[in-house]
Amino acid sequence: DTAVSQTPKYLVTQMGNDKSIKCEQNLGHDTMYWYKQDSKKFLKIMFSYNNKELIINETVPNRFSPKSPDKAHLNLHINSLELGDSAVYFCASSQDVGTATYNEQFFGPGTRLTVL
Amino acid sequence: AQTVTQSQPEMSVQEAETVTLSCTYDTSESNYYLFWYKQPPSRQMILVIRQEAYKQQNATENRFSVNFQKAAKSFSLKISDSQLGDTAMYFCAFMKPPLGSNYQLIWGAGTKLIIKP
Repeated sequence: DTAVSQTPKYLVTQMGNDKSIKCEQNLGHDTMYWYKQDSKKFLKIMFSYNNKELIINETVPNRFSPKSPDKAHLNLHINSLELGDSAVYFCASSQDVGTATYNEQFFGPGTRLTVL
Repeated sequence: AQTVTQSQPEMSVQEAETVTLSCTYDTSESNYYLFWYKQPPSRQMILVIRQEAYKQQNATENRFSVNFQKAAKSFSLKISDSQLGDTAMYFCAFMKPPLGSNYQLIWGAGTKLIIKP
């Protein structure tokens, strides 16, 4: 069984379009995340979210918005796509077990977004 | 702010050799967690090994072990008896104990490791 899944795995689109990437986890985790990995392989957190709060990296443009229909899903919506949005986007999840214990993050397979 | 530095953009060793990947970090926290993740060409991010800062003993997972030097803020990964399947990008990551639900990982830039036959 896939723990964290993302769809689609590849997404090619034109500048200015609006697109969504879906993420689902079947681990029963409380917190989900979106990361962006650029062409130089650098990973950057975009959002972390659970049913209590949304933490947004202040450098993320407001064209990006996470939407969580339920605890197992955190979708990423991107409006007015730009060339610089081309990257691999990873979804991840972790269990909220309190502040005393680390939370391993489990990653999805990534979605390669190409904006033409 | 916490930072993670991986000073080796790329490394290459022969199969069966031992290789060490370096990682340093900067933090004012006393309790935190450190991780090494592997990203093979398949793109999947895979946790290799983790270390809690309050533990003095270095973590070990089969052929993978770390040398954790808390005072020096160093967290190197040693891969023994390297195999072709170890070829991947390796990322060092830092996480401080979360405040509320903020469990964000701070990532290094990665080291591309190539195992040659």
